[in-house]
Amino acid sequence: DAGVIQSPRHEVTEMGQEVTLRCKPISGHNSLFWYRQTMMRGLELLIYFNNNVPIDDSGMPEDRFSAKMPNASFSTLKIQPSEPRDSAVYFCASSPQGTVSSYEQYFGPGTRLTVT
Amino acid sequence: DQQVKQNSPSLSVQEGRISILNCDYTNSMFDYFLWYKKYPAEGPTFLISISSIKDKNEDGRFTVFLNKSAKHLSLHIVPSQPGDSAVYFCAASGGNNDMRFGAGTRLTVKP
Repeated sequence: DAGVIQSPRHEVTEMGQEVTLRCKPISGHNSLFWYRQTMMRGLELLIYFNNNVPIDDSGMPEDRFSAKMPNASFSTLKIQPSEPRDSAVYFCASSPQGTVSSYEQYFGPGTRLTVT
Repeated sequence: DQQVKQNSPSLSVQEGRISILNCDYTNSMFDYFLWYKKYPAEGPTFLISISSIKDKNEDGRFTVFLNKSAKHLSLHIVPSQPGDSAVYFCAASGGNNDMRFGAGTRLTVKP
């Protein structure tokens, strides 16, 4: 039973380049979350979707960040242009909405992004 | 703003002793609280949770205590084992799918 899948696992890019992170949630889960982990702030919620619809993107740092969920099995987080301060580990998580267990989110392994 | 705070970035305990990890929150609308455990190079995994209608929830060696008046919760691990060494995140939710995490506490259990 596959968990949340993220790709790539590691990304190194130069400042100014576009970066796209990908996520495949657990089949049947209809909520999807993007988080950023930094030493200073821990896990920050960037955006989350319910049934492919963005519900709250107030955590997105700035307009350089965008996220899409074109269908129930795929989501992307894009940074354009990337900056060194975007370097962090980005996690995707999913949960089954509408149940008590929806509180329990299942995380992918993360994408470690380094912007030089 | 940090609505969930873990003020201790690290904790070290001896194997067999009790580990106590603390968490404070500011939003009185939070009604469900969780602890996640994270090993290096892996995503966080759910450990234990508690609803605001309870003040204690126990699962094996892990117990979470909730003090609503103080807006404080804690995770007790007894007895601590070297395999418990990880980063522990406290999280809180206000009834929707939104969840806020603390910065994490790195627990080291020494053999």
